[in-house]
Amino acid sequence: AQSVTQLDSHVSVSEGTPVLLRCNYSSSYSPSLFWYVQHPNKGLQLLLKYTSAATLVKGINGFEAEFKKSETSFHLTKPSAHMSDAAEYFCVVSPLGDKIIFGKGTRLHILP
Amino acid sequence: DAGVIQSPRHEVTEMGQEVTLRCKPISGHNSLFWYRQTMMRGLELLIYFNNNVPIDDSGMPEDRFSAKMPNASFSTLKIQPSEPRDSAVYFCASSPLAGGRTDTQYFGPGTRLTVL
Repeated sequence: AQSVTQLDSHVSVSEGTPVLLRCNYSSSYSPSLFWYVQHPNKGLQLLLKYTSAATLVKGINGFEAEFKKSETSFHLTKPSAHMSDAAEYFCVVSPLGDKIIFGKGTRLHILP
Repeated sequence: DAGVIQSPRHEVTEMGQEVTLRCKPISGHNSLFWYRQTMMRGLELLIYFNNNVPIDDSGMPEDRFSAKMPNASFSTLKIQPSEPRDSAVYFCASSPLAGGRTDTQYFGPGTRLTVL
């Protein structure tokens, strides 16, 4: 069965320090993988997506993610957090021919 | 581009009433999705359409829910009769490709539904 697990429901980092949001997936076939961000009272916005091209994917606002097939992971990183990064982040797996699955979300808190 | 448009943005109704949520996808997009978001269950896909045809409605919770897409620029999600447990934020999203589950989705701002 296909699944996606976001390992942390909440992550707190200080402004200017690195961000790591973890995501593991389970899929029988090579899936498409996405990270979306949701700011309070807003819809979701695409940060980046992996579709079997380069394993290191760069997204908007300085975020990037690395697809590691051996670890079935797609962790989201950013070198230096900004206050505006405070939001909820969703890892999404979309296996070919199967349902799209959203993770439960990780709420990122930025400490001044 | 105006993006995905949803209306109303907020809806408060009483149990037993009919509720209709509306969505206008981005012009030229061929796939449309309806989602429900709650604290308890997170984000759930309810139904999606390709070229106005419903493809997968297995996420629709029960017969009280129905969705239509009469043309490429309009879709509705109807709940009849509504119940308090239907209270949630409902999102509509569209994507450029037919079969757009592997494509980028563009989300609307959502409709916050409260059923008293």
